[in-house]
Amino acid sequence: SAVISQKPSRDICQRGTSLTIQCQVDSQVTMMFWYRQQPGQSLTLIATANQGSEATYESGFVIDKFPISRPNLTFSTLTVSNMSPEDSSIYLCSVVVQANTGELFFGEGSRLTVL
Amino acid sequence: KNQVEQSPQSLIILEGKNCTLQCNYTVSPFSNLRWYKQDTGRGPVSLTIMTFSENTKSNGRYTATLDADTKQSSLHITASQLSDSASYICVVNLYSSASKIIFGSGTRLSIRP
Repeated sequence: SAVISQKPSRDICQRGTSLTIQCQVDSQVTMMFWYRQQPGQSLTLIATANQGSEATYESGFVIDKFPISRPNLTFSTLTVSNMSPEDSSIYLCSVVVQANTGELFFGEGSRLTVL
Repeated sequence: KNQVEQSPQSLIILEGKNCTLQCNYTVSPFSNLRWYKQDTGRGPVSLTIMTFSENTKSNGRYTATLDADTKQSSLHITASQLSDSASYICVVNLYSSASKIIFGSGTRLSIRP
């Protein structure tokens, strides 16, 4: 298993500003991901955070809007840039510890409200 | 198109009662299916995992079934408790790769005393 800490747990932000969410894992993991969960919706994969290289973004998500850093195997950040009310969501960090099972372990999430 | 559909969207039952949540998927090729529990304000936590060859798997009061022929899975909760109030999400892996995961929209379960 893995223990994942996310900060902040929640925040209220003004339109046009940016917020960086941090994800800290208690062990080294190869696979780390960022998900978005909009109100009443399922989880949507934003990107795979790659250690030492640029993140891999899913369709509909771009680096300018969601820049991601992964300086080592235990830490990553996701920035939500130039926020609008449509960005109000829960953002979740997730890791896979054992690739053969593919089980995802999630952080507690960061609830973002944009006014 | 790879999809995972869950029903009902929401469910309210009395404490102590049993309930069954449904998951239909059109994902192919299928690798495994998981049920996650997501408490309000928390991240999802895995309850069970089932591969193609498994029909039933239990985890305490939770029992998951899988019919790979009809592409259906169910999660049965026995003797429900107030702490079972949560969203239950059906998740299907295509290649045992986290980037090839399809999430259902979840069933919101509320247990009333």
